[in-house]
Amino acid sequence: SAVISQKPSRDICQRGTSLTIQCQVDSQVTMMFWYRQQPGQSLTLIATANQGSEATYESGFVIDKFPISRPNLTFSTLTVSNMSPEDSSIYLCSVEAPLSWNEQFFGPGTRLTVL
Amino acid sequence: AQSVTQPDIHITVSEGASLELRCNYSYGATPYLFWYVQSPGQGLQLLLKYFSGDTLVQGIKGFEAEFKRSQSSFNLRKPSVHWSDAAEYFCAVGLFTSGTYKYIFGTGTRLKVLA
Repeated sequence: SAVISQKPSRDICQRGTSLTIQCQVDSQVTMMFWYRQQPGQSLTLIATANQGSEATYESGFVIDKFPISRPNLTFSTLTVSNMSPEDSSIYLCSVEAPLSWNEQFFGPGTRLTVL
Repeated sequence: AQSVTQPDIHITVSEGASLELRCNYSYGATPYLFWYVQSPGQGLQLLLKYFSGDTLVQGIKGFEAEFKRSQSSFNLRKPSVHWSDAAEYFCAVGLFTSGTYKYIFGTGTRLKVLA
């Protein structure tokens, strides 16, 4: 399995500001994914980040609001820009399992509260 | 459109009782099927998965799940629930859509265990 860490684990932010969430994996992975889990809701895929190429965003999510970087095979960042209270969620990163491409391992998540 | 349904939002069982969590999916072919558990403040942990072969799969923590193609279902079961099983359970399918492999999650079932 892969060990995934996220920073920060939680944060409280003011409306209109931006927050960058980091995701670090202990092994090299091709595909990384970012999800949003709104309060009491399920997980919704924001985008897929493949190293060396632009992230692919799902319907309803745009790069200006959620810019993603993927500088190498073990690291990615998600920025939540110009935040509003509606962005209050848990943001999780996941990675394609090293030996099982159709399976994902998840990080512990970043709990974001926007005031 | 592809979808995953978990009909039970909340389930309460007594410790030692049996448990079944339901999951149905809508997809033209047989997807890859997963059950994850999310404990409070934690990320998602994979309980078990089904790719092909034997339709009854065993997972961690004494859980099992049965794939029924005719019913498009992948229900999770445990013969005797422990208090530590209280958590939120997510069914997910892995499938190809628009040429990309991704997960679609169900809405989750929150399990409460009575002592």
